[in-house]
Amino acid sequence: SAVISQKPSRDICQRGTSLTIQCQVDSQVTMMFWYRQQPGQSLTLIATANQGSEATYESGFVIDKFPISRPNLTFSTLTVSNMSPEDSSIYLCSVELGFEQYFGPGTRLTVT
Amino acid sequence: KNEVEQSPQNLTAQEGEFITINCSYSVGISALHWLQQHPGGGIVSLFMLSSGKKKHGRLIATINIQEKHSSLHITASHPRDSAVYICAVAHQTSGSRLTFGEGTQLTVNP
Repeated sequence: SAVISQKPSRDICQRGTSLTIQCQVDSQVTMMFWYRQQPGQSLTLIATANQGSEATYESGFVIDKFPISRPNLTFSTLTVSNMSPEDSSIYLCSVELGFEQYFGPGTRLTVT
Repeated sequence: KNEVEQSPQNLTAQEGEFITINCSYSVGISALHWLQQHPGGGIVSLFMLSSGKKKHGRLIATINIQEKHSSLHITASHPRDSAVYICAVAHQTSGSRLTFGEGTQLTVNP
């Protein structure tokens, strides 16, 4: 199994600022996934982060807005840049280990 | 049309009732996941299915690959089962990336 922690658990940020979310896994994993869940919506994949390579972004998400780092096999960060109220969401990281999916507890972001 | 559709969107039950949540999908998949999300936002994986049926405690999940349909059943429901239940599929061609249904909000009243 895998245990995932995220920091911060929640934050309230001002428009125009940036927030970096950290995701730590207690096992080494090849791929980590970052998801966004807007209020009342289901999860949408932002990007897939492989260690040692550039993240792969889904349609509608760009690196300038959501830069991702993946410095090793247990850690990743997602930055939400130049935030607007539309970025208010829960951000979750996820990993696949074996054939199971594990999710972090989420970061609840409110942009004012 | 969404690739993954769940029904119902909202479900209210009395404690002890048998509950069924349905998930239909329109793409070829390598696996289907049932997830549980509590109000705080954290998500727990309940089942991963590629065929047949799985059971864990009071939870049962089934999948029919030919009909592209899965069901999640909760027996003897309890107020602590109140949560959003999400169906997600892994496409055959996209490995571990998941596509999610919109979720079913379950409320179990005492």
